Amino acid sequence: KAGVTQTPRYLIKTRGQQVTLSCSPISGHRSVSWYQQTPGQGLQFLFEYFSETQRNKGNFPGRFSGRQFSNSRSEMNVSTLELGDSALYLCASSWAGTSGGFSTDTQYFGPGTRLTVL
Amino acid sequence: SQQGEEDPQALSIQEGENATMNCSYKTSINNLQWYRQNSGRGLVHLILIRSNEREKHSGRLRVTLDTSKKSSSLLITASRAADTASYFCATAPISGGYNKLIFGAGTRLAVHP
Repeated sequence: KAGVTQTPRYLIKTRGQQVTLSCSPISGHRSVSWYQQTPGQGLQFLFEYFSETQRNKGNFPGRFSGRQFSNSRSEMNVSTLELGDSALYLCASSWAGTSGGFSTDTQYFGPGTRLTVL
Repeated sequence: SQQGEEDPQALSIQEGENATMNCSYKTSINNLQWYRQNSGRGLVHLILIRSNEREKHSGRLRVTLDTSKKSSSLLITASRAADTASYFCATAPISGGYNKLIFGAGTRLAVHP
């Protein structure tokens, strides 16, 4: 099976612009999560989608948004970019939704998109 | 804030030696996962251990979990230069909601030939 793919791999934007990142999960996986990795804050959870619905959200401002399509592919969007948004953005997919409100599945990560905001 | 804290922050060893990394966390969890990351690339899943398990093995990897102490350890035996990477523990808190992983700051492992 092909792994999780993310496009583009690298992006350079300027402050105030917006950006859209794409993630294709492993075939058959229905849950997609997004994470931000920075040297200062480490790896932080952004949000999770399952069956085109956002089921969980981290503590990020509303400038960060996402969506999931019927084929489970997901996009995340960051509007009005700030310098501090420079980071490696990682998406992860897992086989199915969870029960009982907690994760039971292994999450498989993509290679990430390196976003630089100038 | 991060739930997990890894210890040590950095570890330097020779090929053939064993490497042990520790992870502590704060809240009750459903499972704990260990990941490896090479030079700012994507995360590679190593092992998932559930809260009702105490030890798991995968090849040269051995993971233990002590839920009473809220801690876990990752042992890599007979290290190789290719094991050089950052290692992260990630917890799935029971109160975290769907598929939310909380990562520690990671341990940077350097294995010298």
